[in-house]
Amino acid sequence: AQKVTQAQTEISVVEKEDVTLDCVYETRDTTYYLFWYKQPPSGELVFLIRRNSFDEQNEISGRYSWNFQKSTSSFNFTITASQVVDSAVYFCALSESYNTDKLIFGTGTRLQVFP
Amino acid sequence: EAQVTQNPRYLITVTGKKLTVTCSQNMNHEYMSWYRQDPGLGLRQIYYSMNVEVTDKGDVPEGYKVSRKEKRNFPLILESPSPNQTSLYFCASSPLAGYNEQFFGPGTRLTVL
Repeated sequence: AQKVTQAQTEISVVEKEDVTLDCVYETRDTTYYLFWYKQPPSGELVFLIRRNSFDEQNEISGRYSWNFQKSTSSFNFTITASQVVDSAVYFCALSESYNTDKLIFGTGTRLQVFP
Repeated sequence: EAQVTQNPRYLITVTGKKLTVTCSQNMNHEYMSWYRQDPGLGLRQIYYSMNVEVTDKGDVPEGYKVSRKEKRNFPLILESPSPNQTSLYFCASSPLAGYNEQFFGPGTRLTVL
């Protein structure tokens, strides 16, 4: 069955530190989609990235980068030079091609960035 | 402005009193979905809809109903709320299906006493 595991419940860092949020997924499907969403203290959910299973290239967007490794079923998220505004709960999610209507979320990682 | 709206944003009610949480999107999206967020459990899908009059159960549908009579609206109905339905609820929409980026509403915090 499909599953998303975010083993890090909470991470605290000091501003300007780099931090990596781990995401490990389970699926029997060969075609699937992985996502990261951010939930800042204000509560809304903000889409960050989508990656399909055929695209293993790492992605960089400003201070954010994502490392997708099918061999270890991981889709990790790194924030470089963290800032206080990065403080949020981050969710990793999975959607499988045979049932793209369902989105399975991990339990989230709360990141606190202290000044 | 493209958005998903939910009402009410906050609701305190009592066990057994039927309630409806409305969800509306103005992006002409085919797909809509409801999630509940609970501490330590992340977001779990309640129901989703691929199009008008097409709805299906997610992972935690017990105690909930939905309807999709119009493309833009996807209300969540709790016929007889119980305290274990106290949660933060999110509605989301997407152009086609769940594998696309989903746009989330602001959330509805429900407390059932």
